[in-house]
Order: sequence, then structure tokens, then C-alpha cells
Amino acid sequence: AQSVTQLDSQVPVFEEAPVELRCNYSSSVSVYLFWYVQYPNQGLQLLLKYLSGSTLVKGINGFEAEFNKSQTSFHLRKPSVHISDTAEYFCAVSDEGTYKYIFGTGTRLKVLA
Amino acid sequence: NAGVTQTPKFQVLKTGQSMTLQCAQDMNHNSMYWYRQDPGMGLRLIYYSASEGTTDKGEVPNGYNVSRLNKREFSLRLESAAPSQTSVYFCASRDRKKTEAFFGQGTRLTVV
Repeated sequence: AQSVTQLDSQVPVFEEAPVELRCNYSSSVSVYLFWYVQYPNQGLQLLLKYLSGSTLVKGINGFEAEFNKSQTSFHLRKPSVHISDTAEYFCAVSDEGTYKYIFGTGTRLKVLA
Repeated sequence: NAGVTQTPKFQVLKTGQSMTLQCAQDMNHNSMYWYRQDPGMGLRLIYYSASEGTTDKGEVPNGYNVSRLNKREFSLRLESAAPSQTSVYFCASRDRKKTEAFFGQGTRLTVV
């Protein structure tokens, strides 16, 4: 069965510093990959997605992610974070042709002034 | 354009009580989902409905039932609430032509 691992439960980083949030998934069959962001007391919003094609995917708010099939990874990056990026970030995977999304346990990003 | 609407936003139940969480989407999406979110466990799929008239179990279906009332609405029922069902519940929907899910704002449920 498909699974998603987000190794870092919390990531503190200073404002304007770069950040990388890690995500690994278990299956190497055709998958769709997603990053969602959740601000306090809100639902999840899509940051970006990988379906096929270019392995570097750009999303909203200056975030990008790189799909690496050999390492079954989809790490999220931002070159310079802002206080407003403080939130919880979830990686999710969906096997192509299925309707189910499997989520990781989330990474809480805290941006420090 | 409301997207995915969940009611209620907050609820406190006593152990053994029953209740139904409502979810409606106005995007004409085919698939709908119920997730629960618990600290350190991310989102876990309870039930999903790939299309109107079908429902399937997810990872953690025990203690829950669902009804896909029509294309717009997908409800989640707790027949006899337990403290272990204290959680934040999210409904989501997805269009057949798109690949991402759209989420509601959540229902925060406490069972005492």
C-alpha cells in the first residue's frame, strides 16, 4: 500500500532564510504528488502538484518542489521564507487512476523573526 | 462560489450520542472524501465516494457511516460517539478532470 513519510515534524527557520521540507513516498508506480498548506484553524490549500513532465514544479507563494523518481522523493523548497509562511505543510500522493489521497503526517514550519 | 461547506464548525458530544456531519460542494465534483486530522498523524481517510451512488472504506472507517445523498452532498455519521473520535474532520471533493482535492474548513468535534 502507498505511504508517505515526512521525516521532520517541526522545522524552525529564520525569516529570509531558505527552507526545505522533505517528503518521501513508498511506491514507484505512476503517482500524482501534492503539497498542501494549512494555516491555523483553516482547511488545506493546494500549494503545488506534480502530474508528469518537468520534475521541477513551481507553486504559489514562491514555493517549488522537485520530483525525484529514483529516490521516490518530492521535497518542497523556498529560497527565502516570510513570517506569513508559518503553517503546517502536508505532502500527499495519489496513485494514477485511483481516487484516494494518502497524506503524510505533516511538517510544522515556524518562521522566526 | 462557496466551494466545500461543512456544518457544523464545532460540536461537543457526550459518549454514546450520535450525530451527522454535513458536507456540500457546489463545484459539480464527482468524488468526495472524509478525513480526520489528529496531532502527529496527519490526515487519515475515513470514507470516500468516487462518484454519486458509490462509497468505499478508507484507512479508518470503524465507528463511522457515510451517505452520498446526491452529487453535491456527502454526510458522515457517528452512531455512538467515543472519546477516540475526538478530532478535526475534513470533507474534500475532486473533479474527474482535475487531480487535486479541494477541502472544507473542517469540523472540530469533541467527545466527552
